[in-house]
Amino acid sequence: RKEVEQDPGPFNVPEGATVAFNCTYSNSASQSFFWYRQDCRKEPKLLMSVYSSGNEDGRFTAQLNRASQYISLLIRDSKLSDSATYLCVVNGDNYGQNFVFGPGTRLSVLP
Amino acid sequence: DAGVIQSPRHEVTEMGQEVTLRCKPISGHDYLFWYRQTMMRGLELLIYFNNNVPIDDSGMPEDRFSAKMPNASFSTLKIQPSEPRDSAVYFCASRTGTGDGYTFGSGTRLTVV
Repeated sequence: RKEVEQDPGPFNVPEGATVAFNCTYSNSASQSFFWYRQDCRKEPKLLMSVYSSGNEDGRFTAQLNRASQYISLLIRDSKLSDSATYLCVVNGDNYGQNFVFGPGTRLSVLP
Repeated sequence: DAGVIQSPRHEVTEMGQEVTLRCKPISGHDYLFWYRQTMMRGLELLIYFNNNVPIDDSGMPEDRFSAKMPNASFSTLKIQPSEPRDSAVYFCASRTGTGDGYTFGSGTRLTVV
C-alpha cells in the first residue's frame, strides 16, 4: 500500500461548484498534514495545514480523521484560478521532518 | 525574502556527462530537502539535511547521485554519470524545524539525451 493515496482525477467542474478531494495515509504515527497546490510546470506551494479540529481558509476547508487516516479538502464556489493539481502531504518519518507527497488530484474548473 | 533559489532552471545534457544542480535555501531555515518529480512516480524525496548534516539519503536512487551541503546557504545535487532515466524536475525545498510546510524552489528541469 502506498503511503499517501489520492484519487488522480481529473475533476472537471463548472465555475461556482463545490468540489471535495480525499486522501488516505498509511502511517498511523503521522502528526503533520498539509494540502499543497501545484500549477502546471511550477513548484508546489503550501495551500493550508490540516489541524485535528479541522480548519477553514476562505473558500477552502480541510478536515482530518485520524481514526480512519483520512484527510479531505473542500473547495466552495470554485474559480477558474483554482485549476491546478492538489497534493496531499503527510509527515513520513520518525523525526517528523520528511514529508511524503501523494500523487495529486487534478482539478479543472470550466467556464 | 528571495525564497529558495535553484540553478540552473533548465539543463540539457548528454548521457554520461556530469550534472550539478544548485540550491540556496531561505536564510534561517535549518532543513533542506531534494525532491525529484516525474509523471510516473510523482514527487520523491531523495535526501534531506538538518543543519548541513545529511539525515536521510535512502531515497537517493544509486551511487551515481550525491548531495552535499557545505554550509547553511548552499547545497548541490550531483549526478555522475547521467542517464536518460534521470530526466525529471528536481526541486529543492527548505523549512524551519518548527515551521509549517516546505518552501520549494522553482526547480531544475533536467533532460538527459
